Amino acid sequence: DTEVTQTPKHLVMGMTNKKSLKCEQHMGHRAMYWYKQKAKKPPELMFVYSYEKLSINESVPSRFSPECPNSSLLNLHLHALQPEDSALYLCASSQGQGWTGELFFGEGSRLTVL
Amino acid sequence: QQQVKQSPQSLIVQKGGISIINCAYENTAFDYFPWYQQFPGKGPALLIAIRPDVSEKKEGRFTISFNKSAKQFSLHIMDSQPGDSATYFCAASKSFGNEKLTFGTGTRLTIIP
Repeated sequence: DTEVTQTPKHLVMGMTNKKSLKCEQHMGHRAMYWYKQKAKKPPELMFVYSYEKLSINESVPSRFSPECPNSSLLNLHLHALQPEDSALYLCASSQGQGWTGELFFGEGSRLTVL
Repeated sequence: QQQVKQSPQSLIVQKGGISIINCAYENTAFDYFPWYQQFPGKGPALLIAIRPDVSEKKEGRFTISFNKSAKQFSLHIMDSQPGDSATYFCAASKSFGNEKLTFGTGTRLTIIP
């Protein structure tokens, strides 16, 4: 069983909707990540939070807005998305400082934009 | 210089055979090389990882071979089983200073009975 929990598992939204994806981990990890994965492609990094501060933003469009309320929680707020944003959105966590490179992924939220 | 090239794109192996997936990297600053396994509908999970101070690491049926001078590493799956059918991603990173993992393009492995 994954120790990174993502909700919802599936989300369908229209281009004018506002929705949020949620992620939670209780491993004491201090770095949390959002990845986007298209079919048959590797995960593509979007954002990294390290010690609850945004440390990496991979030039993601502003219609994706991350939030890290505390060290265990990570949200991704979605607004005015495009059909091409349909993908599997993966949350991950890692130890943070002194990081070994091991990422723990959740099962993902499958997003469909109509 | 951040790329990790992975081959083959897909691989079909008979049950009991050896599956081999290869990766090559360019950035000599990379010092951590993990392999992730992803089943359909699931997130990737760490399978095995190696650092460049060793040339081989074995965990059960899974072995990473590492060639620092060639900047290549490979995953060998011995006695491949149908349950090994999944997509495998190699990756590379620097341990410190940059919490960013560069993934290869992925290999879809199918083990046939």
